[in-house]
Amino acid sequence: AQKVTQAQTEISVVEKEDVTLDCVYETRDTTYYLFWYKQPPSGELVFLIRRNSFDEQNEISGRYSWNFQKSTSSFNFTITASQVVDSAVYFCALSEAHHQAGTALIFGKGTTLSVSS
Amino acid sequence: DTGVSQNPRHKITKRGQNVTFRCDPISEHNRLYWYRQTLGQGPEFLTYFQNEAQLEKSRLLSDRFSAERPKGSFSTLEIQRTEQGDSAMYLCASSPSTGGDTEAFFGQGTRLTVV
Repeated sequence: AQKVTQAQTEISVVEKEDVTLDCVYETRDTTYYLFWYKQPPSGELVFLIRRNSFDEQNEISGRYSWNFQKSTSSFNFTITASQVVDSAVYFCALSEAHHQAGTALIFGKGTTLSVSS
Repeated sequence: DTGVSQNPRHKITKRGQNVTFRCDPISEHNRLYWYRQTLGQGPEFLTYFQNEAQLEKSRLLSDRFSAERPKGSFSTLEIQRTEQGDSAMYLCASSPSTGGDTEAFFGQGTRLTVV
């Protein structure tokens, strides 16, 4: 069965601190895709990154970086030098290649990040 | 900007009433999805359209729920005989049909409150 677990419900940091959001997934597929989305208070889910199961290269985009490890079924997200604007709920999600429903996503429960000044 | 548009943004209804939500996807996106998100949870998949064809429905979609995408463009989600448990954010997303790894673009959602 497919499942995404985000064990951290809430994280609070002070500006400029680094913070890592954990994501562990379960799937029986060999081909799958992992995503991170950000949901600010306005409610709209904002796409951050996509990774396919054959690409374990870590990625850095500005202050954001992602660590994908198939051996531990984890896809963790690090924000370096956090800012108040990073405050939001962050969701990790999984989609499977065989799934009939295109890119229907299985989401974790989300991690609420609060960055204070 | 021609992002995913959802209307209305908020809806308050009395239990037992019917409600209908509309989603206008990004033009040229063939795939359209409906999700439901309750407080403190991640979005849960409800149903999926490829053009006008409804290809999959989650078991979460009870008989009181129906979705359409008549011309393969906008979609509607209707809930009949609403119950308090239907209170949630209903999210629509669209993506191009270029494979299983394309990201979905989400609208701002319709927040339903059943009183």
